[in-house]
Amino acid sequence: QVQLQESGPGLVRPSETLSLTCTISGGSIRSSYWSWIRQPAGQGLEWIGRLHASGGTNYNPSLKSRLSMSADKSKNLFSLTLTSVTAADTAVYYCARDPDNTSFDPWGQGILVTVSS
Amino acid sequence: EIVMTQSPATLSVSPGERATLSCRASQSFGTNLAWYQQKPGQAPRLLIYGASTRATGIPARFSGSGSGTEFTLTISSLQSEDFAVYYCQQYNHWPRTFGQGTKVEIK
Repeated sequence: QVQLQESGPGLVRPSETLSLTCTISGGSIRSSYWSWIRQPAGQGLEWIGRLHASGGTNYNPSLKSRLSMSADKSKNLFSLTLTSVTAADTAVYYCARDPDNTSFDPWGQGILVTVSS
Repeated sequence: EIVMTQSPATLSVSPGERATLSCRASQSFGTNLAWYQQKPGQAPRLLIYGASTRATGIPARFSGSGSGTEFTLTISSLQSEDFAVYYCQQYNHWPRTFGQGTKVEIK
């Protein structure tokens, strides 16, 4: 079955760029849309955006000006880039499969990213 | 943006009892709604999609209902492993949005 694994730095300095990668195993990146979702400590879930390997994207308007996503079909992974980060971007970041017009399943285990100097 | 409001924030239930969780949407959207369970330190797990369809491997004690703006997740007889936080999420409109969660705790 499909499994997802997030990776990237756990600490990012304020005003710098957060970059994360989600590696897909057990399935093809071409088969679905793929989303990023985040969760600040003790808080709820926020959908960040999604992409398809063909290049299609949908972004949360609240983050759109700082956000980009890309796919590497040869490595079966996709990436998130968030610029000009602040402490408000500190959260656990999850990647998830996002079949069109349905729910998120499965999810990666998540990666904690802290924005601090 | 569709705002999803869950109630109650915390639900105290004894093992074996029934739990009823509510989710209300700020706009009507049919049945494009999912429920997730999240335990401490874990990623959310899909329970229900299409408002009432159980995901693969989800026990029959979990059921979902509703459409439009009012949705309900029912756990018919709470087991020890069901104490967790539950989130609803709409996937009918952009951006996708989640409720703030209902914590089901042991009474």
